[in-house]
Amino acid sequence: SELTQDPAVSVALGQTVRITCQGDSLRSFYASWFQQRPGQAPLLIIFGENNRPSGIPDRFSGSRSGNTASLTITGAQAEDEADYYCNSRDSSARHLGVFGGGTRLTVL
Amino acid sequence: QVQLVQSGAEVKKPGASVKVSCKASGYTFTNYDINWVRQAPGQGLELMGWINPNTDNTGYAQKFQSRVTFTKNTSINTAYMEVSSLRSEDTAVYYCVRGVPGYYYYMDVWGKGTTVTVSS
Repeated sequence: SELTQDPAVSVALGQTVRITCQGDSLRSFYASWFQQRPGQAPLLIIFGENNRPSGIPDRFSGSRSGNTASLTITGAQAEDEADYYCNSRDSSARHLGVFGGGTRLTVL
Repeated sequence: QVQLVQSGAEVKKPGASVKVSCKASGYTFTNYDINWVRQAPGQGLELMGWINPNTDNTGYAQKFQSRVTFTKNTSINTAYMEVSSLRSEDTAVYYCVRGVPGYYYYMDVWGKGTTVTVSS
């Protein structure tokens, strides 16, 4: 994969967690972030510099530094337990997008 | 509201073809791309490519270039994805996703997915 994510991350209920995504294309393009709960279609939660679609709680935020994009959940809730995927441009074929491998978040 | 409604589940034999439809509503169909994403059982998301319903331009991930075709019918606001020469590894959920052009391109609205099962 052109975008690399940690396979699994855990966080205690109410604490803050950062999920990262690394890739060369992130030096030029912002990442989007999607949340996917079991049996459901993915849901866009962050796009652009740090934008949330309507209805996404403000405990979700995004940032970028160098070749790394981050999704931060401040005050994780039980319902945040899900898979999270980053998405950006393919570094070798910039008219195409690519997903990271996904991070499974467990809320303890 | 903006919606993408996909066609129903399919069961196909190896070597056959499958065509999945994605009907858009609630927005101007030709102003946004339609991307196609697949997810094999227990696996991550894989972007297959996109079609621009206004220009008919398409982009395919290298892995899918030889067996996948994206088309559209603007008169009924519907995009299609066809996979030929199906093999068991094509068993997956296939999603259509609206692509938003602009300063930063992103995908926002997803269809509910179409399950394609390839089995003899």
